[in-house]
Amino acid sequence: QKEVEQDPGPLSVPEGAIVSLNCTYSNSAFQYFMWYRQYSRKGPELLMYTYSSGNKEDGRFTAQVDKSSKYISLFIRDSQPSDSATYLCAMREAGGGNKLTFGTGTQLKVEL
Amino acid sequence: DSGVTQTPKHLITATGQRVTLRCSPRSGDLSVYWYQQSLDQGLQFLIQYYNGEERAKGNILERFSAQQFPDLHSELNLSSLELGDSALYFCASSSETGEETQYFGPGTRLLVL
Repeated sequence: QKEVEQDPGPLSVPEGAIVSLNCTYSNSAFQYFMWYRQYSRKGPELLMYTYSSGNKEDGRFTAQVDKSSKYISLFIRDSQPSDSATYLCAMREAGGGNKLTFGTGTQLKVEL
Repeated sequence: DSGVTQTPKHLITATGQRVTLRCSPRSGDLSVYWYQQSLDQGLQFLIQYYNGEERAKGNILERFSAQQFPDLHSELNLSSLELGDSALYFCASSSETGEETQYFGPGTRLLVL
């Protein structure tokens, strides 16, 4: 079983919809949680960075972390066609280097 | 643009060959990370260097090696290449300021024929 599980999709939504993307994990030592967006044939781009449990909002994006359930979410409000990409969750332990463990990514398509 | 540069963008080679991938981190970043992204495995951490020294190692094959030079650029060497080594190879960099966000380069696409 992988340390980080993520539904690969594809997920197709109409423009303006609220999108919910999720990851579960098994390693209770993970303390830092990230969401990256990756367009086709490009490098991952950091969207959200959170530490421990709680919510963080940045524009149309909200990241939630529930450490008790080992579950993280990314919500995208008022989704746009330009949001069409693969979304990768990533996480790491505190200390001991900075190795990121990634989910396999969810492919999102926002249609007009 | 993340500020991380990688060369070459594409590489096509044959089985058994050796290639070198190059990465220049963002200005001021001391840490460099290498990741492999394949269709079936997703993004996998290979190795981290900090200011010239190896800091952490992931699932890196013995046929692969890396180093970070005094000017902080890094090279990933892949030898005795196999078909299964075909993948996207990403470099990322971070500073050492506490919240160590990793910024990724555009990647090198390797195709082994």
